Amino acid sequence: EAQVTQNPRYLITVTGKKLTVTCSQNMNHEYMSWYRQDPGLGLRQIYYSMNVEVTDKGDVPEGYKVSRKEKRNFPLILESPSPNQTSLYFCASSLSLLAGAPNEQFFGPGTRLTVL
Amino acid sequence: AQSVTQLGSHVSVSEGALVLLRCNYSSSVPPYLFWYVQYPNQGLQLLLKYTTGATLVKGINGFEAEFKKSETSFHLTKPSAHMSDAAEYFCAVSGSARQLTFGSGTQLTVLP
Repeated sequence: EAQVTQNPRYLITVTGKKLTVTCSQNMNHEYMSWYRQDPGLGLRQIYYSMNVEVTDKGDVPEGYKVSRKEKRNFPLILESPSPNQTSLYFCASSLSLLAGAPNEQFFGPGTRLTVL
Repeated sequence: AQSVTQLGSHVSVSEGALVLLRCNYSSSVPPYLFWYVQYPNQGLQLLLKYTTGATLVKGINGFEAEFKKSETSFHLTKPSAHMSDAAEYFCAVSGSARQLTFGSGTQLTVLP
């Protein structure tokens, strides 16, 4: 089954404790992206990756890191989480954005993060 | 720069009634426009998209949207609401950089 998976689905942590949220897709997509969803703000892009070893900042990158060492994986790293990073996080993937109209983005099920 | 405004964070309709969710966009280039739906505790799913060509776009589950350039709008409609349509709906625009910019979402409630 074609899908985007995220782990963990739920995480409660404390300020300053480094964490990683994993994202994996099995559709051989070039493009991957991380969003955070907050009430009344919709989804805001954190980071995206056009392909392996190619990443770039989205609209709200502060406090986050990403890496893209393999095509299928795109982990989100919070090196020193703070309470304002409490949110619902979504990973998404699609075929390349480099030409033509944007392709459909496929979303993971979400990771609900609480930072105390 | 591009942006999306969804009018009405909450919309309630009776089962069988018309669904109308409003979306206005701003884009410096001809836009690509999308509607996504999010059911409780799930990720987003694509309902429909406008790229080029026909301005009336049909999507899944009986939804459709019309691209109106003069009004910079891409409103989502469904002639007859069903209980299973209750969800949050997001309009999104993609411009020259091809990144998606989402609206703040509209929560649709369907009343029996």
